Amino acid sequence: NVMLIQPLSVSDSPGKTITISCIRSSGSIGDNYVQWYQQRPGSAPNVIIYEDNRRISGVPDRFSGSVDRASNSASLTISGLKSEDEADYYCQIYYDIFHYVFGSGTRVTVL
Amino acid sequence: QVKLLESGGGVVQPGMSLRLSCVASGLSLRGFPVHWVRQSPDKGLEWVALMAFHGGSKFYADSVEGRFTISRDHLQNTVFLDMTNLGPEDTALYYCVRYSGVYYDYWGQGTPVTVSS
Repeated sequence: NVMLIQPLSVSDSPGKTITISCIRSSGSIGDNYVQWYQQRPGSAPNVIIYEDNRRISGVPDRFSGSVDRASNSASLTISGLKSEDEADYYCQIYYDIFHYVFGSGTRVTVL
Repeated sequence: QVKLLESGGGVVQPGMSLRLSCVASGLSLRGFPVHWVRQSPDKGLEWVALMAFHGGSKFYADSVEGRFTISRDHLQNTVFLDMTNLGPEDTALYYCVRYSGVYYDYWGQGTPVTVSS
């Protein structure tokens, strides 16, 4: 089964740019679209990026998604980091027949 | 207000059963697949089951196949998850989620399930 591996945590100061990686363990990252979800403490996840790099309406353009076939990974980049961006972030794919997989999750801390 | 509201979670002993319910208000579940996704500290987010919009097709994660059953009541705009032979590995917060076909667009607040002796 495919696993999506994310760093446990990423942190930086306000105004900085951070990137969260999501490495696909098997198969090609380009085979299936990647979604990204933001989960604030005490709340359910909310989709912020879908189909690799499309932003959900209302999501600031500080958030962007990309895919790198060379490293077989997807990335979520947050620029101009704000305190409100503190949350857990999860990548997710759907592959084959009814395989829905979430990444291991990354805790973003704004210093 | 658009929301999904889960209920039915609780604390049970290993081997027991629970029925989770998910009621939609302010949005329709008709025409959309509905999934159950669970979250635990050790396993993170884990897909559990889905029911296709027409209600005929149901699919399950390997970890719950044969023990969990998903069903829906179109008239009541409600989805259920019947869980049997529960084990400690099933301890998690269970979310009912609508799937747009591309991403999960509406989540409930979750209902907690604890399996412990």
